[in-house]
Amino acid sequence: GAGVSQSPRYKVAKRGQDVALRCDPISGHVSLFWYQQALGQGPEFLTYFQNEAQLDKSGLPSDRFFAERPEGSVSTLKIQRTQQEDSAVYLCASSSGDRTSYNEQFFGPGTRLTVL
Amino acid sequence: RKEVEQDPGPFNVPEGATVAFNCTYSNSASQSFFWYRQDCRKEPKLLMSVYSSGNEDGRFTAQLNRASQYISLLIRDSKLSDSATYLCVVTRQAAGNKLTFGGGTRVLVKP
Repeated sequence: GAGVSQSPRYKVAKRGQDVALRCDPISGHVSLFWYQQALGQGPEFLTYFQNEAQLDKSGLPSDRFFAERPEGSVSTLKIQRTQQEDSAVYLCASSSGDRTSYNEQFFGPGTRLTVL
Repeated sequence: RKEVEQDPGPFNVPEGATVAFNCTYSNSASQSFFWYRQDCRKEPKLLMSVYSSGNEDGRFTAQLNRASQYISLLIRDSKLSDSATYLCVVTRQAAGNKLTFGGGTRVLVKP
């Protein structure tokens, strides 16, 4: 079956540009997570959705980062006025469970963002 | 100090040998523990969960020591295809089951 998909796979932005990254989770998955992975590091949590509700955005590094999942399916991570330190791979993951019980998270291939 | 710490390696392992490495976690409230595997420029994939009693999956053995707050992974009879970065992961239900990753341990299996 179809896994988690993300687009674009690669994005090059000039400093100051806005970008939007898309995540299509596995159909029917309630939970959706965004993670940021800098080069040579492990992924770090950004934000979590349960259906359309954003229940945790504690990992968003600044108010330039904004995420939404308006219909409880596709999610978009938006970064405004990109900075060089935003360069990273942005990973989306989905799981069938809600936040009260652990279910395996399945990751998409990521979007590699490079800010020049 | 990061919540989950790992030796970044690389661990250079002859094919057929055994390799083992640990990770430590700082939050005693951590409840669930996992090893993920990440190939170069790919997404992380779940390798195995880690249980208090220890568990084995083929050539892979994982152990959890709650008292000392560390997790280990042992790979026996290493294959070239085992070359990857191994990410130690912990979760807490109180934190909504978000995954907290270590920085990863790189393993290179050589002929």
